[in-house]
Amino acid sequence: KQEVTQIPAALSVPEGENLVLNCSFTDSAIYNLQWFRQDPGKGLTSLLLIQSSQREQTSGRLNASLDKSSGRSTLYIAASQPGDSATYLCAVRRQGAQKLVFGQGTRLTINP
Amino acid sequence: EAGVAQSPRYKIIEKRQSVAFWCNPISGHATLYWYQQILGQGPKLLIQFQNNGVVDDSQLPKDRFSAERLKGVDSTLKIQPAKLEDSAVYLCASSSFKVSYNEQFFGPGTRLTVL
Repeated sequence: KQEVTQIPAALSVPEGENLVLNCSFTDSAIYNLQWFRQDPGKGLTSLLLIQSSQREQTSGRLNASLDKSSGRSTLYIAASQPGDSATYLCAVRRQGAQKLVFGQGTRLTINP
Repeated sequence: EAGVAQSPRYKIIEKRQSVAFWCNPISGHATLYWYQQILGQGPKLLIQFQNNGVVDDSQLPKDRFSAERLKGVDSTLKIQPAKLEDSAVYLCASSSFKVSYNEQFFGPGTRLTVL
């Protein structure tokens, strides 16, 4: 059974800092991994999707990496801004399946 | 392109009452998912439809939850009777194998409070 863990559960940093969010998964037989953002009271916004054959994906100030063999992914946020404050969730999709298995999320606060 | 639509956005009911949620997926998306997100946790899949057929409902509490997707488009999720532990956000998502590795797109969710 796939289990996804995100550490830390909460993170608070001053504006302008670069930061890394971590995601680990127990079963390396994944099809892809997605990072989502969730604002309070809102749905999920997809940030980056990495296929199992890829090592990283970039979008603006965001960079996500994937190391399938070690069961880890990181989301790097450069030059953080107060608007980046939200909960960040990672989710994995197993090979041959369509459902996503989510981590618990990291609640990020960027202080002005 | 319109996103996934859900209604209502908020619902407050008393325990043992019944409630229904509605989802309209992105046009042309054959796969529809219902997830339950309890406060402080990640979403958990309740049921997955492919067109109007059920693909996975292994985590759906079938004694009280039911879902249908008539005509392979809109879907309704029902809880009857509701329990306190059903308080959560119910998220609907849709996907198509023709779009970005079957990437899932999520609606805004329905926040249910059971008193």
